[in-house]
Amino acid sequence: SQTIHQWPATLVQPVGSPLSLECTVEGTSNPNLYWYRQAAGRGLQLLFYSVGIGQISSEVPQNLSASRPQDRQFILSSKKLLLSDSGFYLCAWSPRGGEAFFGQGTRLTVV
Amino acid sequence: LAKTTQPISMDSYEGQEVNITCSHNNIATNDYITWYQQFPSQGPRFIIQGYKTKVTNEVASLFIPADRKSSTLSLPRVSLSDTAVYYCLAYPFSGAGSYQLTFGKGTKLSVIP
Repeated sequence: SQTIHQWPATLVQPVGSPLSLECTVEGTSNPNLYWYRQAAGRGLQLLFYSVGIGQISSEVPQNLSASRPQDRQFILSSKKLLLSDSGFYLCAWSPRGGEAFFGQGTRLTVV
Repeated sequence: LAKTTQPISMDSYEGQEVNITCSHNNIATNDYITWYQQFPSQGPRFIIQGYKTKVTNEVASLFIPADRKSSTLSLPRVSLSDTAVYYCLAYPFSGAGSYQLTFGKGTKLSVIP
Protein backbone atom coordinates (compact mmCIF):
# COMPACT_ATOMS: atom_id res chain seq x y z
CA SER A 1 0.00 0.00 0.00
CA GLN A 2 1.03 3.59 -0.49
CA THR A 3 2.29 5.73 2.37
CA ILE A 4 3.50 9.29 2.65
CA HIS A 5 6.05 10.46 5.17
CA GLN A 6 6.59 14.07 6.13
CA TRP A 7 8.97 15.42 8.74
CA PRO A 8 9.54 17.02 11.12
CA ALA A 9 6.15 17.29 12.82
CA THR A 10 6.98 20.58 14.50
CA LEU A 11 9.70 23.13 13.91
CA VAL A 12 10.63 26.43 15.51
CA GLN A 13 13.04 28.52 13.49
CA PRO A 14 14.38 32.08 13.90
CA VAL A 15 13.73 34.72 11.27
CA GLY A 16 16.39 34.64 8.57
CA SER A 17 17.29 31.00 9.07
CA PRO A 18 17.06 28.41 6.28
CA LEU A 19 14.33 25.80 5.98
CA SER A 20 14.20 22.30 4.57
CA LEU A 21 11.10 20.11 4.82
CA GLU A 22 11.15 16.67 3.27
CA CYS A 23 8.38 14.45 2.02
CA THR A 24 8.68 10.93 0.65
CA VAL A 25 6.11 8.59 -0.81
CA GLU A 26 6.27 4.81 -0.81
CA GLY A 27 4.41 2.18 -2.76
CA THR A 28 3.75 4.11 -5.95
CA SER A 29 5.66 5.49 -8.89
CA ASN A 30 5.47 8.74 -10.83
CA PRO A 31 3.02 10.42 -8.45
CA ASN A 32 1.93 14.04 -8.63
CA LEU A 33 3.39 15.76 -5.57
CA TYR A 34 2.18 18.87 -3.77
CA TRP A 35 3.16 21.32 -1.05
CA TYR A 36 0.43 23.28 0.73
CA ARG A 37 0.49 25.84 3.52
CA GLN A 38 -2.32 26.59 5.93
CA ALA A 39 -2.14 29.68 8.11
CA ALA A 40 -4.03 29.61 11.38
CA GLY A 41 -7.78 29.55 10.73
CA ARG A 42 -7.31 29.81 6.98
CA GLY A 43 -7.80 27.55 3.97
CA LEU A 44 -5.20 25.45 2.19
CA GLN A 45 -2.90 27.38 -0.11
CA LEU A 46 -1.25 25.41 -2.91
CA LEU A 47 2.43 26.40 -3.00
CA PHE A 48 4.04 24.00 -5.47
CA TYR A 49 3.17 20.94 -7.48
CA SER A 50 5.28 18.52 -9.46
CA VAL A 51 4.33 16.04 -12.14
CA GLY A 52 7.82 14.52 -12.51
CA ILE A 53 11.45 14.62 -11.45
CA GLY A 54 12.84 18.12 -11.75
CA GLN A 55 9.46 19.52 -12.83
CA ILE A 56 8.21 22.12 -10.37
CA SER A 57 5.32 24.54 -10.81
CA SER A 58 4.91 27.44 -8.42
CA GLU A 59 1.47 28.72 -7.61
CA VAL A 60 2.34 31.60 -5.31
CA PRO A 61 5.44 33.84 -5.53
CA GLN A 62 7.27 33.88 -2.22
CA ASN A 63 10.66 33.18 -0.69
CA LEU A 64 10.06 29.43 -0.77
CA SER A 65 11.27 26.95 -3.35
CA ALA A 66 10.68 23.27 -4.02
CA SER A 67 12.70 20.50 -5.57
CA ARG A 68 12.05 16.94 -6.65
CA PRO A 69 15.43 15.19 -6.83
CA GLN A 70 13.89 11.71 -6.98
CA ASP A 71 10.58 10.34 -8.20
CA ARG A 72 9.09 9.99 -4.73
CA GLN A 73 10.87 12.77 -2.87
CA PHE A 74 9.68 16.35 -2.59
CA ILE A 75 11.55 19.03 -0.68
CA LEU A 76 10.41 22.49 0.40
CA SER A 77 13.14 25.01 1.11
CA SER A 78 13.82 28.57 2.02
CA LYS A 79 17.11 30.44 2.26
CA LYS A 80 15.80 33.00 4.76
CA LEU A 81 12.57 32.53 6.68
CA LEU A 82 10.14 35.37 7.32
CA LEU A 83 7.65 35.66 10.17
CA SER A 84 4.89 35.29 7.56
CA ASP A 85 6.19 31.83 6.66
CA SER A 86 4.74 30.43 9.88
CA GLY A 87 1.99 27.92 9.30
CA PHE A 88 1.02 24.31 8.84
CA TYR A 89 2.78 22.77 5.86
CA LEU A 90 1.29 19.74 4.18
CA CYS A 91 2.74 17.46 1.56
CA ALA A 92 0.41 15.41 -0.61
CA TRP A 93 0.53 12.97 -3.48
CA SER A 94 -1.99 11.78 -6.03
CA PRO A 95 -1.94 9.33 -8.90
CA ARG A 96 -2.63 10.83 -12.29
CA GLY A 97 -5.99 12.29 -11.42
CA GLY A 98 -8.02 10.89 -8.58
CA GLU A 99 -7.90 11.61 -4.88
CA ALA A 100 -5.02 13.22 -3.04
CA PHE A 101 -3.36 11.70 0.02
CA PHE A 102 -1.85 13.98 2.61
CA GLY A 103 1.01 13.66 5.05
CA GLN A 104 0.70 14.45 8.74
CA GLY A 105 1.97 17.99 8.29
CA THR A 106 4.71 20.17 9.78
CA ARG A 107 3.81 22.96 12.17
CA LEU A 108 6.38 25.71 11.48
CA THR A 109 6.74 28.65 13.82
CA VAL A 110 9.11 31.39 12.80
CA VAL A 111 10.22 33.49 15.77
CA LEU B 1 -9.88 24.16 -12.46
CA ALA B 2 -13.52 25.04 -11.87
CA LYS B 3 -14.13 27.64 -9.18
CA THR B 4 -16.23 26.33 -6.31
CA THR B 5 -18.30 28.27 -3.77
CA GLN B 6 -19.43 26.88 -0.41
CA PRO B 7 -20.93 28.34 2.76
CA ILE B 8 -18.23 29.45 5.18
CA SER B 9 -19.79 27.68 8.16
CA MET B 10 -22.71 25.56 9.30
CA ASP B 11 -24.00 24.38 12.65
CA SER B 12 -25.95 21.20 13.29
CA TYR B 13 -27.17 19.21 16.27
CA GLU B 14 -26.05 15.67 16.83
CA GLY B 15 -28.15 13.06 15.08
CA GLN B 16 -29.34 15.37 12.32
CA GLU B 17 -28.66 15.01 8.62
CA VAL B 18 -26.39 17.72 7.26
CA ASN B 19 -26.37 18.89 3.66
CA ILE B 20 -23.53 21.06 2.41
CA THR B 21 -24.01 22.56 -1.03
CA CYS B 22 -21.22 23.54 -3.38
CA SER B 23 -21.65 25.73 -6.44
CA HIS B 24 -19.44 25.12 -9.51
CA ASN B 25 -21.07 27.05 -12.34
CA ASN B 26 -18.14 26.77 -14.75
CA ILE B 27 -17.55 23.05 -14.32
CA ALA B 28 -16.01 21.41 -17.38
CA THR B 29 -17.30 18.31 -19.12
CA ASN B 30 -14.49 16.09 -17.82
CA ASP B 31 -14.41 17.46 -14.26
CA TYR B 32 -15.23 15.22 -11.33
CA ILE B 33 -16.59 16.56 -8.05
CA THR B 34 -14.61 15.54 -5.00
CA TRP B 35 -15.14 16.25 -1.31
CA TYR B 36 -12.52 16.20 1.42
CA GLN B 37 -12.74 16.42 5.21
CA GLN B 38 -10.12 18.09 7.39
CA PHE B 39 -9.77 17.89 11.16
CA PRO B 40 -7.60 20.43 13.04
CA SER B 41 -3.86 19.84 12.68
CA GLN B 42 -4.37 17.10 10.11
CA GLY B 43 -4.26 16.91 6.35
CA PRO B 44 -7.53 16.62 4.42
CA ARG B 45 -8.82 13.16 3.68
CA PHE B 46 -10.96 12.03 0.76
CA ILE B 47 -14.65 11.48 1.49
CA ILE B 48 -16.46 10.94 -1.78
CA GLN B 49 -16.29 11.61 -5.49
CA GLY B 50 -18.82 11.64 -8.30
CA TYR B 51 -19.58 12.77 -11.82
CA LYS B 52 -23.38 12.90 -11.95
CA THR B 53 -26.58 11.75 -10.20
CA LYS B 54 -25.95 10.14 -6.83
CA VAL B 55 -23.01 8.41 -5.19
CA THR B 56 -23.15 6.80 -1.75
CA ASN B 57 -20.49 5.23 0.43
CA GLU B 58 -20.24 4.29 4.09
CA VAL B 59 -19.52 7.88 5.10
CA ALA B 60 -21.67 10.16 2.94
CA SER B 61 -23.81 10.65 -0.13
CA LEU B 62 -23.14 13.02 -2.98
CA PHE B 63 -25.98 14.42 -5.06
CA ILE B 64 -25.24 16.02 -8.43
CA PRO B 65 -28.08 17.43 -10.56
CA ALA B 66 -28.22 16.96 -14.31
CA ASP B 67 -26.67 20.36 -15.10
CA ARG B 68 -23.76 19.60 -12.71
CA LYS B 69 -23.51 23.26 -11.71
CA SER B 70 -23.81 22.36 -8.05
CA SER B 71 -23.45 19.38 -5.77
CA THR B 72 -24.61 18.48 -2.27
CA LEU B 73 -22.68 16.49 0.28
CA SER B 74 -25.04 14.73 2.67
CA LEU B 75 -23.84 13.45 6.04
CA PRO B 76 -26.43 11.23 7.76
CA ARG B 77 -26.95 11.53 11.50
CA VAL B 78 -23.86 13.57 12.34
CA SER B 79 -21.96 13.13 15.57
CA LEU B 80 -19.53 15.39 17.40
CA SER B 81 -16.67 13.67 15.58
CA ASP B 82 -17.96 15.04 12.27
CA THR B 83 -16.98 18.56 13.34
CA ALA B 84 -14.46 19.48 10.65
CA VAL B 85 -13.88 21.59 7.55
CA TYR B 86 -15.33 20.17 4.35
CA TYR B 87 -13.87 21.09 0.96
CA CYS B 88 -15.46 20.74 -2.45
CA LEU B 89 -13.26 20.51 -5.54
CA ALA B 90 -14.02 20.05 -9.24
CA TYR B 91 -11.18 18.87 -11.45
CA PRO B 92 -10.43 16.45 -14.28
CA PHE B 93 -8.71 13.11 -13.93
CA SER B 94 -6.32 13.77 -16.78
CA GLY B 95 -4.83 16.57 -18.77
CA ALA B 96 -4.18 20.12 -17.72
CA GLY B 97 -5.87 20.90 -14.44
CA SER B 98 -5.73 17.34 -13.13
CA TYR B 99 -2.70 18.25 -11.06
CA GLN B 100 -3.64 21.74 -9.88
CA LEU B 101 -5.51 20.62 -6.78
CA THR B 102 -6.63 23.95 -5.37
CA PHE B 103 -8.66 23.91 -2.18
CA GLY B 104 -10.94 26.81 -1.32
CA LYS B 105 -11.77 27.92 2.20
CA GLY B 106 -14.19 25.06 2.72
CA THR B 107 -17.20 24.84 5.02
CA LYS B 108 -16.59 24.64 8.73
CA LEU B 109 -19.19 22.29 10.18
CA SER B 110 -19.77 22.49 13.92
CA VAL B 111 -21.82 19.70 15.47
CA ILE B 112 -23.55 20.72 18.70
CA PRO B 113 -24.44 18.23 21.45
